[in-house]
Amino acid sequence: DTGVSQDPRHKITKRGQNVTFRCDPISEHNRLYWYRQTLGQGPEFLTYFQNEAQLEKSRLLSDRFSAERPKGSFSTLEIQRTEQGDSAMYLCASSLAGMSETQYFGPGTRLLVL
Amino acid sequence: AQRVTQPEKLLSVFKGAPVELKCNYSYSGSPELFWYVQYSRQRLQLLLRHISRESIKGFTADLNKGETSFHLKKPFAQEEDSAMYYCALSGRAAGNKLTFGGGTRVLVKP
Repeated sequence: DTGVSQDPRHKITKRGQNVTFRCDPISEHNRLYWYRQTLGQGPEFLTYFQNEAQLEKSRLLSDRFSAERPKGSFSTLEIQRTEQGDSAMYLCASSLAGMSETQYFGPGTRLLVL
Repeated sequence: AQRVTQPEKLLSVFKGAPVELKCNYSYSGSPELFWYVQYSRQRLQLLLRHISRESIKGFTADLNKGETSFHLKKPFAQEEDSAMYYCALSGRAAGNKLTFGGGTRVLVKP
């Protein structure tokens, strides 16, 4: 286990299609976060899980977005009816809850909606 | 609402010169502050956090609660410091999520 992994690394899709991204966290980490980063901006929080429970969702996460972490291990982020404004880098991070929590980031999935 | 501001989009310095990246924040409560760095073609990684009060790769950052700042400093920049730097905050009131600034690109010229 060399760190957080994300699949795919790149995705090109047409407007209106659905896409799904996967994140595999560091194995012993119980928290998993999704962020979105657009060009020239810092990452923005979307949602996070502690084990399988989704504890917080950002207002950025419209009803076209859904995230799951069914067994408290890997997570998926699905975007339905994609729009051009969804084009961004989607980052996943994981951490071990505690006093000195550090989030470790994956390489990201770059989405381009045509 | 929490906010992190990095006023400089780009800092260009010569090798051996000091570099300071500014970060200001707003937060209700006791925040935890971080600096993350992203080198070319690499993932975002933690550089340092204020509670550790340590120097990493020659960088230091001091939390100034009066000025709500967490500036990153290095006395002698090296070419390998060229990267994108993000200031971020977290805290219990923020639900443990990270709130990032817009980032500062540092270019160290030979």
